[in-house]
Amino acid sequence: DAKTTQPPSMDCAEGRAANLPCNHSTISGNEYVYWYRQIHSQGPQYIIHGLKNNETNEMASLIITEDRKSSTLILPHATLRDTAVYYCIVIGSNFGNEKLTFGTGTRLTIIP
Amino acid sequence: GAVVSQHPSWVICKSGTSVKIECRSLDFQATTMFWYRQFPKQSLMLMATSNEGSKATYEQGVEKDKFLINHASLTLSTLTVTSAHPEDSSFYICSARTLVEQFFGPGTRLTVL
Repeated sequence: DAKTTQPPSMDCAEGRAANLPCNHSTISGNEYVYWYRQIHSQGPQYIIHGLKNNETNEMASLIITEDRKSSTLILPHATLRDTAVYYCIVIGSNFGNEKLTFGTGTRLTIIP
Repeated sequence: GAVVSQHPSWVICKSGTSVKIECRSLDFQATTMFWYRQFPKQSLMLMATSNEGSKATYEQGVEKDKFLINHASLTLSTLTVTSAHPEDSSFYICSARTLVEQFFGPGTRLTVL
């Protein structure tokens, strides 16, 4: 019962903005959207999360549509070190007793 | 952000031996710890959830007698792969959670010969 759908792969030119989409059409009112990324042979790294408002931190911006059925992670100025698999995860508020489960994610390749 | 460490970062062992992997939350106390396994070119698969002082909860299809989990304190969890076989070769990743955040360790690559 996949809660999110992401494209399997994307390329982005170095220095450009990378926009990674995620569909979560069955999201419920108290569920957050979390983004993690995994660089090759490393553990996942937290990027950002949001409920319904757009969010921005030092790593990225998260744009959530008004109906909350989809979101976009934006890396404003992609570098080669941003090459990784990006995971969009929907989970209840403050995790609660839920388990963080990973789908197949989007493999982002930054092209020099 | 908070730091989760794992030791060792990689290990090679002979078939039939047991291997212990440690996971520590270095600057926070984790209410819950998780163990994941990742095969090449695949996503992370949750193996088990553990809370300090209680028995781990294993996901369907994960053998609890083969993958022993001990959660001795709020900062330490261990995973022991008993009688390891080549098919157990994988990337094992631990994760530690507070009430509002979840952090991941760097992973341990296990190779069973």
